[in-house]
Amino acid sequence: QVQLQESGPGLVRPSETLSLTCSVSGGSISSSFCGWFRQPPGKGLEWIGYTHYSKDTDYNPSLTSRVTITLDTSRNEFSLRLTSVTAADTAVYHCVTGGGWLVDYWGQGTLVTVSS
Amino acid sequence: EIVLTQSPGILSLSPGERVTLSCRASQSVPKNYLGWYQQKRGQTPRLLIYDASIRATGIPDTFSGSGSGTDFTLTITRLEPGDFAVYYCQQYAVPPITFGQGTRLEIK
Repeated sequence: QVQLQESGPGLVRPSETLSLTCSVSGGSISSSFCGWFRQPPGKGLEWIGYTHYSKDTDYNPSLTSRVTITLDTSRNEFSLRLTSVTAADTAVYHCVTGGGWLVDYWGQGTLVTVSS
Repeated sequence: EIVLTQSPGILSLSPGERVTLSCRASQSVPKNYLGWYQQKRGQTPRLLIYDASIRATGIPDTFSGSGSGTDFTLTITRLEPGDFAVYYCQQYAVPPITFGQGTRLEIK
């Protein structure tokens, strides 16, 4: 059974960089689409982006100037980096994997609050 | 970008009732790559339907999806107490992947 676990700071100051890591067990990220979604408190779901070992990375155009998703196949992990955060970036961040863009597995999510 | 519009926004129903939720796309969804998710408070979204009409693993047959092109529906034939939640449609055909704004099912 594939399991995903997000880790990273729960509090980030405005204008700084949000960094999260997703550790994957029970499956190899080398053959999966790996990505991130987020959900602001009380609001809907938003796709951040996907990457794949042998394909291009795709990002939400609304975030593309600030976001980077990278893979570390040696650790079977992937990461999210979001720069210049504001309060609008406060959300539960979920990492996901799948055989395509349809999500097969979700991490439980981690709340990141942007506040000084 | 494919914009998904769900209707209605909120529904108040009783257990045992039948419900149909609508998801309309601003342009045709290629390959009908349209999914439906159920989300309860504080939980991860649960995939119900993918490719517009295929039930995901473990989803009871009280849930069904239909539609193609720009108009899609999710039907729950007989509401159970555990079905009262927020439902989202999602297209995963072309980037950016997008979601509808959600339909909340409430107990009347």
